[in-house]
This record gives sequence, structure tokens and C-alpha cells, in this order.
Amino acid sequence: QVQLQESGPGLVKPSGTLSLTCAVSGGSISSRNWWSWIRQPPGKGLEWIGEIYHSGSTNYNPSLESRVTISVDKSKNQFSLKLSSVTAADTAVYYCARRNCAGDCYGFDIWGQGTMVTVSS
Amino acid sequence: EIVMTQSPATLSVSPGERATLSCRASQSVSSNLAWYQQKPGQAPRLLIYGASTRATGIPARFSGSGSGTEFTLTISSLQSEDFAVYYCQQYNNWPKTFGQGTKVEVK
Repeated sequence: QVQLQESGPGLVKPSGTLSLTCAVSGGSISSRNWWSWIRQPPGKGLEWIGEIYHSGSTNYNPSLESRVTISVDKSKNQFSLKLSSVTAADTAVYYCARRNCAGDCYGFDIWGQGTMVTVSS
Repeated sequence: EIVMTQSPATLSVSPGERATLSCRASQSVSSNLAWYQQKPGQAPRLLIYGASTRATGIPARFSGSGSGTEFTLTISSLQSEDFAVYYCQQYNNWPKTFGQGTKVEVK
């Protein structure tokens, strides 16, 4: 059974870069799926940040595209998020998730537990 | 960007009753619509995809319907574990977008 686990600093200074990694276990990141980052500010809804395929192809949310980089490391079976020039508005729980594309692509069927990132000096 | 609008924001229902949640897309998403359940402190869980297909392990009391711009999630008989926040999400276009959520609470 595929599982996802986020890791990274829980506190980032304003104007700094948020860096998170999602480790994939129980399956290969090179499977026919897209791997996403989604965030949720405290008490608010869900925002899709972007996704990556094992080939390195990416799609980003235009609202964040200028600050986001998602990369994949197939040798470690993991993918990563970098968000630059962060402000307090980037404070959120960050989730990694799998968008199932085993057949036709559909929803996010597997999620990590989420990691809280606070932007503060 | 496709805007997803959910109604109502909060739904008060008694255990055993039926709950009907609505989701509207600002433009057609065909049947590329998913529903998620989120409980406090937990990640969302996929309930429905393709507007009406239950995900693995999801009880039959959850059903989805609709296509184009209007969608509905129905919980036929609410159990105690069903009180949560529910989100719809379209995956027809980029960026993938979510509704703002409907909280189902105990009446």
C-alpha cells in the first residue's frame, strides 16, 4: 500500500524559502501517477500548488507559479517542493498527494498526513 | 481558473437523516469532479471521483451525481463518523481547484 510522508522545517523566516520533501513508500514514484502538493491555511480551504510526473513534467498553479519549484528524485523515490519569498500568507498545513492516473486520471486518492509550516521571524 | 462554489457552508443534520451537499462549477468540468471528506487534524479522504464513482472502501451511503456544472453529494443516513467538512474538486482543467467546503454538523 502506497504511503506518503512529508518532511521539512516547521518554521521559515519571511522572505525565505520553504522546502519540503515527500517520501513515497510501498510503491514507485515512476508509476503512472502525478504527484502533487496541496496546502491548507489554518481554518481555511484547500489550495492546489502544483504537481510533477516522474519524467519531470510539471504543472503549477498560476497564482504561485513564479515562486514554486517541484522536483522529483527517482533514486530516492521522493519529490520536493520549494516556495520562495514566503510571507505570513504562506503559513499552512502542506500536504503531498497522489493523483491517480492508473487508468484515466482522477482525484487525489492518497495523501500524506500533512506538515504545518509557519512563516514568522 | 474554474471556481467551485459549495452550498450550504454549514449543514445541520441529525444522525440517521439524509444530507445533501451541492457544488457548482463556474464552467463545465464534464464529470471530472471529486468529493473529499476531512475531519479535524486529518488529511482529506477521497470519497467520490468521476462525479459518481465511490473510491475504494467508501460505504454505499455516500453517493454522487451530476455533470457539467452542477453536482451533488448525498449521504443517505448520517452516521456519527460522517460529521466532517466535505470538499468538491474539479480535475478537468488546470489549476485543479477546490470548493470552499461544507461543514456537516450535528443538529
